[in-house]
Order: sequence, then C-alpha cells, then structure tokens
Amino acid sequence: QKEVEQNSGPLSVPEGAIASLNCTYSDRVSQSFFWYRQYSGKSPELIMSIYSNGDKEDGRFTAQLNKASQYVSLLIRDSQPSDSATYLCAAVSGGSYIPTFGRGTSLIVHP
Amino acid sequence: DVKVTQSSRYLVKRTGEKVFLECVQDMDHENMFWYRQDPGLGLRLIYFSYDVKMKEKGDIPEGYSVSREKKERFSLILESASTNQTSMYLCASRPWTDLNEKLFFGSGTQLSVL
Repeated sequence: QKEVEQNSGPLSVPEGAIASLNCTYSDRVSQSFFWYRQYSGKSPELIMSIYSNGDKEDGRFTAQLNKASQYVSLLIRDSQPSDSATYLCAAVSGGSYIPTFGRGTSLIVHP
Repeated sequence: DVKVTQSSRYLVKRTGEKVFLECVQDMDHENMFWYRQDPGLGLRLIYFSYDVKMKEKGDIPEGYSVSREKKERFSLILESASTNQTSMYLCASRPWTDLNEKLFFGSGTQLSVL
C-alpha cells in the first residue's frame, strides 16, 4: 500500500524562526507532491506543489524534493503565529493519479 | 473560482439510519473524491470517481457506497450508519486534464452518529 509518512508533532517554533516540515513516501512512481495547510475546523488549502528534484520557492515558503531519497520537505521562513496549523503532505502516483495524504504535522508558532 | 459545495456542515444521525452526503462542484471537473478525516489519521480515501457513472474504491470503502449520475454531483451513502462512522467527511474535485493539478476541497461535513 502506498504510504506517506509525516511526524505528527506538534512542532513548536518561535515567531520569526524557520519551520521545517518533512515527509517521506513509499511509492517510487509518485511524480507530483503537494503541501496543504489546514486550520482547525477548516478544509485543506494548497500551499505549494512540486514535481521536479530540487527547491521551489514561493514567498516565505520553500518546497524541496529529493526523489532518490523519496523525501519532500516544506520550509517556512519568518514563521508567524498565523502559520499555526496542520500541514498535510500528499503524493500523487503516476500510475493511479490518486493523491495519498500523510497524517499531517501540527505546527505551533508562538510569539 | 472553483467552488465545491457540501450540502451540510454538521449532521447528527442515529445508528442504523441511511445517510446521504452530497457534494456539488461548479467547474466541470471529471474527478471527484470522498475522504474522511479523523484526529491523528489524516485524510483517508473512501471512494473516487474518474467521471460520470464511474467509481472506484479507495482505501476504506467498507460501509459506504457512492453515486455519480451527473458530472457535477458526487454522493456518499452510508447504508446503515454506525458510531465508528462519526467523522469529518471531505469532498474534493480535480480536472482530468492534469494529474498534477491540486484538489479543490469542499468545506467538509462533520457527521455524528449516535
């Protein structure tokens, strides 16, 4: 069974620090990867997507993909209290095209 | 902007009832999904549909069925609700044209089975 693993946390960082969220996946043919942010009681919203090895930056967010290690990460620079949420990692298999989600990492940014 | 609408935000049902959860999207997306989300377990796929009248089981289909008679509507059916089906249910859609496209989520239905 395809699996996506995340540390459930909570990950606690001070305001202004870099938050690093990690994700590993088991399906070697996964070819697209997504980070969603989910506030309590709300539905997930897309933060970043990444398809190629390397880094992809968008404002304070950087997604990193290493297909050889089957590893995806999300860095949040200058973390703000409003970044406090659960972050879900998802991988889409090139075979089934079905997104598989990790269990999510809870991030707490304290003032 | 894509809108995915779930008919109810909160539902309370009794054990043994037949429950219908409705999801409608307005962007002509081919793919639609039903997930359930429980604390500590993330999103788990119940059923998905590639297109009208097409459906495939996900990871946890037991106790559920689905209906996709029209492209915009994907219904999740609990044939005989049980307390272990108390959960947050999320519907999502995606265009078929690009598997790299993100999922568009509805606002969710919190179902309580008593």
